[in-house]
Amino acid sequence: DIVMTQSPDSLTVSLGERAAINCKSSQSVLYNSNKKNYLAWYQQKPGQPPKLLISWASTRESGVPDRFSGSGSGTDFTLTISSLQAEDVAVYYCQQYYGTPFTFGQGTRLEIK
Amino acid sequence: QVQLVESGGGVVQPGRSLRLSCAASGFTFSTYAMHWVRQAPGKGLEWVAVMWFDGSNKYYADSVKGRFTISRDNSKNTLYLQMNSLRAEDTAVYYCVGGGSSYGPADYWGQGTLVTVSS
Repeated sequence: DIVMTQSPDSLTVSLGERAAINCKSSQSVLYNSNKKNYLAWYQQKPGQPPKLLISWASTRESGVPDRFSGSGSGTDFTLTISSLQAEDVAVYYCQQYYGTPFTFGQGTRLEIK
Repeated sequence: QVQLVESGGGVVQPGRSLRLSCAASGFTFSTYAMHWVRQAPGKGLEWVAVMWFDGSNKYYADSVKGRFTISRDNSKNTLYLQMNSLRAEDTAVYYCVGGGSSYGPADYWGQGTLVTVSS
């Protein structure tokens, strides 16, 4: 199984500042034939189901603010929020869909300082 | 708009069975891989199972293999999860999730249904 490890477990950032969440996979999730990274980021706010933010490591979903960006390749990935807004308080998860089981990271809780 | 509505959750004793259903609308269900993902109270997300769009393949997490069975009825736009030999550690909110392709991200999520396994 591919193990996904996020860091940090929690993060406190001031409004307007940059937040970065890391995700590391135990093996590469880059599929060489199409050069795609099989990695997604989700946002989960309290009492709500998760919401897909970014797929294929760096493709922002429709309607997701452009302050959210994804980067990385192979085994190391980062979700960056360029200027934190109050509504970004949530838990963020990475997930690999390269192979079953489609494992999630443990989550990173993002709070406002 | 896309809707995934789970039902069938509730309180069940250890060792008993429960069947969850998920009614889909607003997208072409028969072309989507469908998953179940669960979340224990106060914990993170755990992927449970997936079935390919045509039912040709299904895969499970080790924690539920041999006890849970995923199935679908494309004529009814409905996904199922048959859960047998339930354990306390199966207590969670179960989400029905739609993924565009067999190996793809989870595009659509339901609101979830709570399963509590307790004597």
